[in-house]
Amino acid sequence: AQSVSQHNHHVILSEAASLELGCNYSYGGTVNLFWYVQYPGQHLQLLLKYFSGDPLVKGIKGFEAEFIKSKFSFNLRKPSVQWSDTAEYFCAVERQAGTALIFGKGTTLSVSS
Amino acid sequence: ETGVTQSPTHLIKTRGQQVTLRCSSQSGHNTVSWYQQALGQGPQFIFQYYREEENGRGNFPPRFSGLQFPNYSSELNVNALELDDSALYLCASSPGGQAGYNEQFFGPGTRLTVL
Repeated sequence: AQSVSQHNHHVILSEAASLELGCNYSYGGTVNLFWYVQYPGQHLQLLLKYFSGDPLVKGIKGFEAEFIKSKFSFNLRKPSVQWSDTAEYFCAVERQAGTALIFGKGTTLSVSS
Repeated sequence: ETGVTQSPTHLIKTRGQQVTLRCSSQSGHNTVSWYQQALGQGPQFIFQYYREEENGRGNFPPRFSGLQFPNYSSELNVNALELDDSALYLCASSPGGQAGYNEQFFGPGTRLTVL
């Protein structure tokens, strides 16, 4: 079945550690790609998005993601995490602009200070 | 600029009942999408409304229905509630009509519990 897969269900890191969260999708053709974050008690917010152009995209709060078309991947990275990055992270794919977002199951990130 | 708002925040219903959830879109947005987020899962697309017309539907039964009003606010109605309908229901609005750009802004959600 076509889907969005997030490899890690729960990631636990210490402050200043580097972060990489994996995301793979199984849809062919052109897609738009997103990472959303949900901080405890808050609503979903957009971290970054990729539509076209430079496959390395930068988002808010020092996050970046790299689109690798040949691997159908859109992994999220941050060089040095902070305690405030504790949240749930969702990868999402949009197969056609302006339509449904297809989400992965999410990765819970816990950062200890 | 007012963001996306949803009401009510929480709701408890019993199996077989009907429920209506409401969403006010962000100013200037004409597209509203609804998602269901079960515990421990990512949001799943229910349907989308663009300028008062349904513009796509996910894999949900017909007892999930919706409306969009001239001011672009929206309702999600669920009939004959089942226990599995217990979830967080998210509304997202977007500018719409702009090819290649579609950031969806999410509301805080309505937590529905079906007993």
